[in-house]
Parts: sequence; C-alpha cells; structure tokens
Amino acid sequence: NAGVMQNPRHLVRRRGQEARLRCSPMKGHSHVYWYRQLPEEGLKFMVYLQKENIIDESGMPKERFSAEFPKEGPSILRIQQVVRGDSAAYFCASSPPGLYEQYFGPGTRLTVT
Amino acid sequence: DAKTTQPPSMDCAEGRAANLPCNHSTISGNEYVYWYRQIHSQGPQYIIHGLKNNETNEMASLIITEDRKSSTLILPHATLRDTAVYYCIVRVEGGATNKLIFGTGTLLAVQP
Repeated sequence: NAGVMQNPRHLVRRRGQEARLRCSPMKGHSHVYWYRQLPEEGLKFMVYLQKENIIDESGMPKERFSAEFPKEGPSILRIQQVVRGDSAAYFCASSPPGLYEQYFGPGTRLTVT
Repeated sequence: DAKTTQPPSMDCAEGRAANLPCNHSTISGNEYVYWYRQIHSQGPQYIIHGLKNNETNEMASLIITEDRKSSTLILPHATLRDTAVYYCIVRVEGGATNKLIFGTGTLLAVQP
C-alpha cells in the first residue's frame, strides 16, 4: 500500500506566480489535511477536507490560498500571487473514515524568489 | 484541545531506552494522547495513541498516569535513526475536526 504522495517535492516560484501543490492520499483514505511548516517553526494546521467538502479551513490564510479535494483525483492546495513569506514546507496527511491517525506525505518545499 | 508541555531536548545513548515525558494537566475525559515524530525535513510519522490504558506497538510504549495528567513515550532500544522531534498531542476523537495542533515538541538526540 503506497503511502501519501505529494508532488512536486520541490517547487520554485517567482513572486506573483501561482503555486499548485498536489496530494494523493493513501488508498481507501477519504480525509485529507494540509499543514505548513515555516523555516525553523512548528507545523501549523491549514485545512481539512473530505471528498468534495471543506470541513475545517480555520488555519488557511484568508487571501490567496485555496484547497480542494475533488471526487476524482488528488487534493490541490493552490497559492495565488505567491510572496516570499509563503516559502515553507507544505505537508499533506490522510486518514480513513472512522480512524483518526493521520499519515503524512514527504512534503512539498516551496521556495519563492 | 488541551495544551501539552514537553522538555525542549533530551539525549539518549544508543541501545538504551528513551523515555519522553509529556504534561497535559488540563486534559478532558474524552481527549486522547497522540505521539508523532518528525525526523529532520521529513513528514511527521504517527507513533502511538491512547486514552487511559497503557499501549504498546512495534514502535513504542505509551504510559499514561492514572489521573491522565501526564504520559511517557518509551522507545525501548533507541537507535541513531530515532533522532527526531517528538510531539505529544491531545485531542478529542470524533470531533468536528480532526486537526492536529503541534507544539514545539522534544528534540531527542540519540548518541552513539
């Protein structure tokens, strides 16, 4: 059973460009979570999604950030008009319904130049 | 979710047991204790969780005090690959959200 997959692993964007981060959950997992880790800081929750629904987006910045988890395909975290402060590691986790352990992917490291 | 307090860092000799403490004095009756770890630059890894009974799996043991105000994660035979930041998290299962709130954790350094 493959683990949580994230791509790309490294992403470089210039200020003002868009960043799209993808997350494929483990097989059978219908819950996806996104977390951000700024340099030298701890992990911060961003958003929790189930298929086609956003359940909790209390950690998402109000502007420029959006997330989706469509019926088919991976979950996408989208950052519009990136700024240097968006440079961070973005981790995706997944869990199956009924269980609460979250299994994390290897992360996408976003660098904004 | 209840707050947790962990020492910022600990050392352990390779092959010895690593005992990582966590205080959660304001834990509620329906909150579980979870442990995750993050090896440098990697995604966090689930280790173990429990409510009030002690738990053991292939990675570690979790000892929760009778009053549930503190717990200890035990790695029975630490190896160099166990060097990581260990996070103790308490949260309700089955709540409206499954989000994990990470604190600053304990940096465990396993020494050869």
